[in-house]
Amino acid sequence: DAMVIQNPRYQVTQFGKPVTLSCSQTLNHNVMYWYQQKSSQAPKLLFHYYDKDFNNEADTPDNFQSRRPNTSFCFLDIRSPGLGDAAMYLCATSRTARDEKLFFGSGTQLSVL
Amino acid sequence: QQQVKQSPQSLIVQKGGISIINCAYENTAFDYFPWYQQFPGKGPALLIAIRPDVSEKKEGRFTISFNKSAKQFSLHIMDSQPGDSATYFCAPLSGSARQLTFGSGTQLTVLP
Repeated sequence: DAMVIQNPRYQVTQFGKPVTLSCSQTLNHNVMYWYQQKSSQAPKLLFHYYDKDFNNEADTPDNFQSRRPNTSFCFLDIRSPGLGDAAMYLCATSRTARDEKLFFGSGTQLSVL
Repeated sequence: QQQVKQSPQSLIVQKGGISIINCAYENTAFDYFPWYQQFPGKGPALLIAIRPDVSEKKEGRFTISFNKSAKQFSLHIMDSQPGDSATYFCAPLSGSARQLTFGSGTQLTVLP
């Protein structure tokens, strides 16, 4: 059974058109993460939530925003996607802030036309 | 500052052979050393991990060797199988941040 679910699996958007990616989890984990992974590169942390406490990485562009309305759901909003934002976006969870094991979803592959 | 250096970038091994992937780090605050496995089109999944109080950990065909003085740890895959073909990332954590610091990844191909 999928524990970290990302929808949609593939997303196509147009240059400058806002897009939202979603993530849900059935693990009741406290921490949720968003990573960006470009082709043949390592995942790069964009931001994470400790419960409702939002933590932004220093180099995450302002174009990227996130919402976590409840424990189970987290959204990634890209306000004005550029061609350079085409990537796989990975959602991950961990039980607590001290828990070392992360559970990743299968990702959403974003294409920007 | 590149905190984690992973090698090789790609690796081709015959079925039944041994695959070895290395990770060197600079941050002495790292205290948890995992390897993640990622198949195409999937998210990474924790494969095996070690803490610095032991020098080796084995789980089935997968072994981590840890050398604290050299600030290196490696993943050994014994009897490599085509199903092991994936990208492998080392991703150590430090005590304060509890965030993964990913290596650049190694694309492993196991030939049948």
